Amino acid sequence: LAKTTQPISMDSYEGQEVNITCSHNNIATNDYITWYQQFPSQGPRFIIQGYKTKVTNEVASLFIPADRKSSTLSLPRVSLSDTAVYYCLVGSPKGSGNTGKLIFGQGTTLQVKP
Amino acid sequence: DSGVTQTPKHLITATGQRVTLRCSPRSGDLSVYWYQQSLDQGLQFLIHYYNGEERAKGNILERFSAQQFPDLHSELNLSSLELGDSALYFCASAPPGAGRNTEAFFGQGTRLTVV
Repeated sequence: LAKTTQPISMDSYEGQEVNITCSHNNIATNDYITWYQQFPSQGPRFIIQGYKTKVTNEVASLFIPADRKSSTLSLPRVSLSDTAVYYCLVGSPKGSGNTGKLIFGQGTTLQVKP
Repeated sequence: DSGVTQTPKHLITATGQRVTLRCSPRSGDLSVYWYQQSLDQGLQFLIHYYNGEERAKGNILERFSAQQFPDLHSELNLSSLELGDSALYFCASAPPGAGRNTEAFFGQGTRLTVV
């Protein structure tokens, strides 16, 4: 899996838009980019996944530039309940040299303040 | 609710003992991943099974072993337990199919306390 780099922590205030950027310079052609959210003492929860350009769902948007060497998770109008750790993962489909490992980095701890 | 069930939710045991953690994946998912998360630490990948076969190993100790059964549930066995094995243990399942193997669904975890 491609190595990812994210900020260790970020602070924000309620109602603001938060953008968390992940660098993945060695992303391979077949790799997808996936973001997870984890609250204390809970299992990570899948947020969004994309391959290129922009993906949006009811929770977040994912922006991926043309070179795909980075991606940005955008959380609109955060609330206190968005305080969590956010992980960026990059991985390849099965049957394309996938090692079968799903590796999480240290993630970004987002603290939303009132 | 992710659809992944882990039992038990909490487990307290003594050093030197052996425990078994159980994971039932979502219906239709063939992959099961196991992770260890110590206090204030990241998620450490332990092992991945796909349709009953071991697919990949992470930094899993020799005292730990896992298996996936024909009905696709999985068990993680931890033996000769040490204080440092106290942690949250998560399993995750993932659906088959190309292109989505980084999309996984996590259970609520088993909190293991070794005293």
